[in-house]
Amino acid sequence: NAGVTQTPKFQVLKTGQSMTLQCAQDMNHEYMSWYRQDPGMGLRLIHYSVGAGITDQGEVPNGYNVSRSTTEDFPLRLLSAAPSQTSVYFCASSDPDTTYEQYFGPGTRLTVT
Amino acid sequence: GESVGLHLPTLSVQEGDNSIINCAYSNSASDYFIWYKQESGKGPQFIIDIRSNMDKRQGQRVTVLLNKTVKHLSLQIAATQPGDSAVYFCAENGGPTGANNLFFGTGTRLTVIP
Repeated sequence: NAGVTQTPKFQVLKTGQSMTLQCAQDMNHEYMSWYRQDPGMGLRLIHYSVGAGITDQGEVPNGYNVSRSTTEDFPLRLLSAAPSQTSVYFCASSDPDTTYEQYFGPGTRLTVT
Repeated sequence: GESVGLHLPTLSVQEGDNSIINCAYSNSASDYFIWYKQESGKGPQFIIDIRSNMDKRQGQRVTVLLNKTVKHLSLQIAATQPGDSAVYFCAENGGPTGANNLFFGTGTRLTVIP
């Protein structure tokens, strides 16, 4: 049981480039989410999904797209990277039928130059 | 949006002493609160949680206290050890995006002095 996995661990992009951050979980959790964490700040919710085919915006959705075609995967896409998107990105999942506790992945450190 | 904040951004304690980390929240409708520990370069790890129908919950060496009257949450760590050095976040559920979502405070960095 790997829990929540994220790839890549590190990424450097140039302004305007696009990329997809991958997230997968093997706990059959319906709920998945993406957060960003900036220095000296807590985690801020970008997008979330309550099940396959359903996604919605969090606190800071601008500049990011998501999709949820399967229960296991929840990729985060940056269509045109900006320096303001330099951050550490965390994916999380939970089983809201039993708890609001979210299980976090190890994070992706993204730098946009 | 929601406001979950911490009174102290840093806390230093001697090994073996007890630690208390505080957190204020603003959403009266939140019914679930959780503490996470984050070590350098890692994702947040669950420590303990509490529902709004409780005032206190204990785990192994940790206790969470909830005071709904003043919207205050605290995490107590007994006999603090060097391995407890990390950033601690409180979070609450709810808000405009729904009960399943968590909203985090800015964190307190706990440093344990050997």
